[in-house]
Amino acid sequence: GAVVSQHPSRVICKSGTSVKIECRSLDFQATTMFWYRQFPKQSLMLMATSNEGSKATYEQGVEKDKFLINHASLTLSTLTVTSAHPEDSSFYICSARDQGIRTEQYFGPGTRLTVT
Amino acid sequence: GIQVEQSPPDLILQEGANSTLRCNFSDSVNNLQWFHQNPWGQLINLFYIPSGTKQNGRLSATTVATERYSLLYISSSQTTDSGVYFCAVGYFGNEKLTFGTGTRLTIIP
Repeated sequence: GAVVSQHPSRVICKSGTSVKIECRSLDFQATTMFWYRQFPKQSLMLMATSNEGSKATYEQGVEKDKFLINHASLTLSTLTVTSAHPEDSSFYICSARDQGIRTEQYFGPGTRLTVT
Repeated sequence: GIQVEQSPPDLILQEGANSTLRCNFSDSVNNLQWFHQNPWGQLINLFYIPSGTKQNGRLSATTVATERYSLLYISSSQTTDSGVYFCAVGYFGNEKLTFGTGTRLTIIP
C-alpha cells in the first residue's frame, strides 16, 4: 500500500518551453501533496504544499508564477514548470500524505528535468 | 525554522559491519521519518518513528523525542545498503517535512 507515482520519470526540454509533471497517489486519497526539489549531492528542499481544491502554499523564494501547482483531485497533483531555463534543471520529487491521523508522507520516484 | 542535522556526513564500511546514523533536531516533532535514497533517486520509507523504537529486519531505529534525536542502526551491512540516508521531521500543527543533510553510506564488498 501507499504507492505514489510520478510521470514522466525524466524529461528534456528546450529553454523557454513549459513542462508538466504529474504526481498520483495510487492506493490512497491524499488531501495534501508536497513538491520538493533536489540538486545533485544535496538534500531535498520543499517547494510547495498542495491542498486538494485550494491554492498551493509556496515556500519562501519559490516563484509561484513559474512553478504552477494544481491539485484537482484527491489522487492527482501537477507541477508545471513554465518558461523553463537551464537553471531549472533538477530532480523534482512529490510526496503525499494519507487523509488519516498519521502524518507519514510517501514519496514518488522523482522526475529528472533537463533544460537545454 | 527547524534545524535538522545528520551525522556522520559520509561513512564507508566493509560488508558485514554495523553502523549507527544520527539525526538531531531543534524542536519538538510529531513526525520523524527515515528514508534510504537509492542510486535512482527513489526515497524508500524505512521508518515512521516520532518516538520509541522500531525494528525491521537488519534495520532498527530509536527516537528520543525529549532529547531531540533519533538513531538508525544498520546491522550486517550489505552492498545494497549503499546510498544516502535522510531523516526528515515535522512539527505539531505543520504538515511540512524538513529534511536533514543526509548521510552517504558506502558498503565495500
